[in-house]
Amino acid sequence: GAGVSQTPSNKVTEKGKYVELRCDPISGHTALYWYRQSLGQGPEFLIYFQGTGAADDSGLPNDRFFAVRPEGSVSTLKIQRTERGDSAVYLCASSAGQTELYFGPGTRLTVT
Amino acid sequence: KQEVTQIPAALSVPEGENLVLNCSFTDSAIYNLQWFRQDPGKGLTSLLLIQSSQREQTSGRLNASLDKSSGRSTLYIAASQPGDSATYLCAVKGSWGKLQFGAGTQVVVTP
Repeated sequence: GAGVSQTPSNKVTEKGKYVELRCDPISGHTALYWYRQSLGQGPEFLIYFQGTGAADDSGLPNDRFFAVRPEGSVSTLKIQRTERGDSAVYLCASSAGQTELYFGPGTRLTVT
Repeated sequence: KQEVTQIPAALSVPEGENLVLNCSFTDSAIYNLQWFRQDPGKGLTSLLLIQSSQREQTSGRLNASLDKSSGRSTLYIAASQPGDSATYLCAVKGSWGKLQFGAGTQVVVTP
């Protein structure tokens, strides 16, 4: 079956611009996670959805970052006024409750 | 706050040797622990999931053990092959729901 998909796979944007990153989880998975990974580091937690609501958004670094999951499936991570320090690979994962997480291929964001 | 540490950060072995990768965590109140593999420029592939009530899980040449009380997990890969070269990440899930990752161990298996 289809796994977790993320679009775009690569995004280059200028400092100060707004970007949206999309995640399509595995069908039927109620939990959805966003992580950010910098080179040579493990993934860093950003936000976790259970259904439509954000169960834990403690990893969002500041108020420029926002994520939504309006219908409990697709999620969008939104970054306003991008900074060079936002450059990283953004990973999305989904799971069916408290089971293993399945990750998508990631979106590589480069802020110039 | 949960801290996850992986030692060593990098490891190089000749083909055929067994690999031993270590993961430690500071808060033993975990729900489960998951080992992942990551190839350069790629996403994460789940290898093994160990529930907190389990002591080990096995899949083919891979075996992962969990000692929750001491905050440790070990991933064993038997008879390593060049195709095992990748970064291996462990991650723990607490009752709070999110998965906390270590920084990974980069493995190179030389032919």
